[in-house]
Amino acid sequence: QVTLKESGPGILQPSQTLSLTCTFSGFSLSTYGMGVGWIRQPSGKGLEWLANIWWDDDKYYNPSLKNRLTISKDTSNNQAFLKITNVDTADTATYYCARIIRGTGPFDYWGQGVMVTVSS
Amino acid sequence: DIQMTQSPSSMSVSLGDTVTITCRASQDVGIYVNWFQQKPGKSPRRMIYRATNLADGVPSRFSGSRSGSDYSLTISSLESEDVADYHCLQYDEYPPTFGGGTKLELK
Repeated sequence: QVTLKESGPGILQPSQTLSLTCTFSGFSLSTYGMGVGWIRQPSGKGLEWLANIWWDDDKYYNPSLKNRLTISKDTSNNQAFLKITNVDTADTATYYCARIIRGTGPFDYWGQGVMVTVSS
Repeated sequence: DIQMTQSPSSMSVSLGDTVTITCRASQDVGIYVNWFQQKPGKSPRRMIYRATNLADGVPSRFSGSRSGSDYSLTISSLESEDVADYHCLQYDEYPPTFGGGTKLELK
């Protein structure tokens, strides 16, 4: 059974760094073709893709936020991470992680999401 | 970036209706389009992958189709559990981009 769960700070102040963790089970990021992506959704708005990381440590970032994003993984602990530097109120959103399988396409399983508020 | 123009943004529907939602891609994305359903306060659920393939566990009243650069999600004989937001996603090219979403509301 595939599960993913996001965790994060809940609230942080402008200019701080947002650190998110995706803890998953039922698959391994050391398996060929597996990946994890991060997606966010401001309240009442649409979905925005942020970054992907693959089993071979290949990484892709949304160019609109590229300089602020860092994605990484800990294969042995079945975790993926996303850091967003220099946050502001526009980064207030629910953040999701989701599984990707090369060949069948992205985001077949999603975490429950974690709400992050940036406020002074 | 590839733009996915989704329409309509909202739709008033009745149970039993056949509902069609469309995304138009700003350039060729081939078969690389997914459709997601999202209910209030919940995570998205993948319904269709590679434009026309039904995801596991998705009722057969859902279907996906493609005509040129237009991708459609059709729900036949709408049931109450289908009232939700729907999002398309292209993943042919980085960055993957979502449509703006369609909100289904009961009349």
